[in-house]
Amino acid sequence: NAGVTQTPKFQVLKTGQSMTLQCAQDMNHEYMSWYRQDPGMGLRLIHYSVGAGITDQGEVPNGYNVSRSTTEDFPLRLLSAAPSQTSVYFCASRINNAGNTIYFGEGSWLTVV
Amino acid sequence: DAKTTQPNSMESNEEEPVHLPCNHSTISGTDYIHWYRQLPSQGPEYVIHGLTSNVNNRMASLAIAEDRKSSTLILHRATLRDAAVYYCILRRGQLFSGGYNKLIFGAGTRLAVHP
Repeated sequence: NAGVTQTPKFQVLKTGQSMTLQCAQDMNHEYMSWYRQDPGMGLRLIHYSVGAGITDQGEVPNGYNVSRSTTEDFPLRLLSAAPSQTSVYFCASRINNAGNTIYFGEGSWLTVV
Repeated sequence: DAKTTQPNSMESNEEEPVHLPCNHSTISGTDYIHWYRQLPSQGPEYVIHGLTSNVNNRMASLAIAEDRKSSTLILHRATLRDAAVYYCILRRGQLFSGGYNKLIFGAGTRLAVHP
């Protein structure tokens, strides 16, 4: 079991560029989500998915898109990167609505210049 | 959503017990109390959770006040590897049907462990 795998680990973007952060889990979890963490702060929910084909917005969805075509993958797309999106991004998954343990990836450090 | 309040930072010496407090005065009857910790440059990891009764696992113990308005995470013997940010989080329980039980992370408590 690899758990939750995120790529890339580090990325530098120019303002206005687009990119996709990849997230994959091999635990057959229904629920997946993306968080961002700014310096000295807790995590904020960007988007989440309760199953393949179903996604919804979290606290801070603006500037990001997601899709869930398979159970395993949940990519996060930055449409037009802005310096305010400089952050650490964490993907997470849990088995289903009853699952109490959330598994996080190791994070993707994104800098927008 | 109910919120939690934690001290910004705490310090401990190695091999001593650590009691990390959390206030959640607006907790509802179906909210579970979760603790996660985040080691430097890593994603958060699950520590423990509970509803009403005290809980123990290999990592820690969770003591929940009788009125559930506060809880304490107990590390019985702190090690240097326990230095992390500890998050106390409320999560709506299984009685909440449909949708996603969001975890709302606060700033957490940064625990420093001294040799």
